[in-house]
Amino acid sequence: KQEVTQIPAALSVPEGENLVLNCSFTDSAIYNLQWFRQDPGKGLTSLLLIQSSQREQTSGRLNASLDKSSGRSTLYIAASQPGDSATYLCAVAGGTYKYIFGTGTRLKVLA
Amino acid sequence: EPEVTQTPSHQVTQMGQEVILRCVPISNHLYFYWYRQILGQKVEFLVSFYNNEISEKSEIFDDQFSVERPDGSNFTLKIRSTKLEDSAMYFCASSAVRSGETQYFGPGTRLLVL
Repeated sequence: KQEVTQIPAALSVPEGENLVLNCSFTDSAIYNLQWFRQDPGKGLTSLLLIQSSQREQTSGRLNASLDKSSGRSTLYIAASQPGDSATYLCAVAGGTYKYIFGTGTRLKVLA
Repeated sequence: EPEVTQTPSHQVTQMGQEVILRCVPISNHLYFYWYRQILGQKVEFLVSFYNNEISEKSEIFDDQFSVERPDGSNFTLKIRSTKLEDSAMYFCASSAVRSGETQYFGPGTRLLVL
C-alpha cells in the first residue's frame, strides 16, 4: 500500500531564502508525481507534474526533482517570498491512477 | 484555460439529510474522481469513475455514497444520510487519460454537517 510522507511538517523562513521540501513514497511503481499548493481553506493549485520517466521539472522559481528508485521527490523554491506562504502537498499516482497525498508541509515566509 | 468547476462552494446540512455535490469536469475528459479532505487532515481518495461505472473506490466510499454522470457533463457525488464526520472539503478531479496524465482538480465544496 502506497504511503506518502512529507518532511518537514512545518517550516518558517525569512524572505529571500532558498528552501527544499521533501516528499517520500514507499512504492516506486508510480506513473507521475505532482506538487500542489493549498492556501488555508482553499482548493488545490497544481504547481509541477513530473512523469515517471522524468527526473525534474521547472516552473519559474520552482524546481521539482524525482528519484523513483529511492522513492523521493524534492521541491526547491528559490528566493522565497511572503506570497509563497501556504501548505505544499505532494501526491503520487500509482497502479490504479488515483492520487495518494502526503500530509503536506506548512510553509511560512517571513517578511 | 479549461477548468473543473464545482457547486456549491459551501453547503451546510443537518445530520441525516441527503446532499448532492456537483462537478463539471473538463469537457473532453473521460476519467473522473472524488477526493475529500477533513479539516487538518490529508486529501483522501474516494472514488474513480469511467465509462459510466465505478473503476475503484476506497474504504471510505460506503453504501451511503454514490456517484453519477447524469447528463454527459455533470458528475455528482451523493451522500444519502449525512453524518457529522462527513464534514469535509470535497474535491472533484478529471483527466483525459489515465496513465501519466495529470488530474485537474476543482476548487472544492466545503460541506458542514450539523
